[in-house]
Amino acid sequence: EAGVTQFPSHSVIEKGQTVTLRCDPISGHDNLYWYRRVMGKEIKFLLHFVKESKQDESGMPNNRFLAERTGGTYSTLKVQPAELEDSGVYFCASSPGQGVTGEAFFGQGTRLTVV
Amino acid sequence: AQSVAQPEDQVNVAEGNPLTVKCTYSVSGNPYLFWYVQYPNRGLQFLLKYITGDNLVKGSYGFEAEFNKSQTSFHLKKPSALVSDSALYFCAVRSTGGGNKLTFGTGTQLKVEL
Repeated sequence: EAGVTQFPSHSVIEKGQTVTLRCDPISGHDNLYWYRRVMGKEIKFLLHFVKESKQDESGMPNNRFLAERTGGTYSTLKVQPAELEDSGVYFCASSPGQGVTGEAFFGQGTRLTVV
Repeated sequence: AQSVAQPEDQVNVAEGNPLTVKCTYSVSGNPYLFWYVQYPNRGLQFLLKYITGDNLVKGSYGFEAEFNKSQTSFHLKKPSALVSDSALYFCAVRSTGGGNKLTFGTGTQLKVEL
């Protein structure tokens, strides 16, 4: 069974440009999450999809970030325009079911560097 | 609001010695606690979780963790460390009042030396 996959693994862009990150969850997982780790700090929650619906987007830092999950399968996270403070590692995770007790399965992350 | 503290940025231990990586948490509601490990250039891998029941939880690669409600702690332990255990370890919590999102600590770098 394939795990959670993220593309690209690394991205270096200039301030003001647009970047789109992609996440393919484990097949059949209704829950999809985006997290971010900035400069060696804690991993912070960004948002949670249940199928194609945004369940919780309380962690999205501002309106430069747009997440979508059309059709309830893969998800994209777009940053437009990117700022220096957006640099970090963006993790995607997925989990089955609707309970809070199950573990989430994480991808390898996308390292974003804004210069 | 829920939070997790990992007080040590780095833990050094000799191979064969026991290791402990500390974690304390703060939640409203019942806590669901998780440990994840990140090896270099890899994603986060699930190690173990505490949901309910026995306070001592056993997980992958010989790791275990003890849930202590009175001290609000969930320390990760292993009786005998291996060099291959060297990695970045994250403690995380969910709660019945916090929805499905995980709240992570800042991570602890474990270094096991020969």
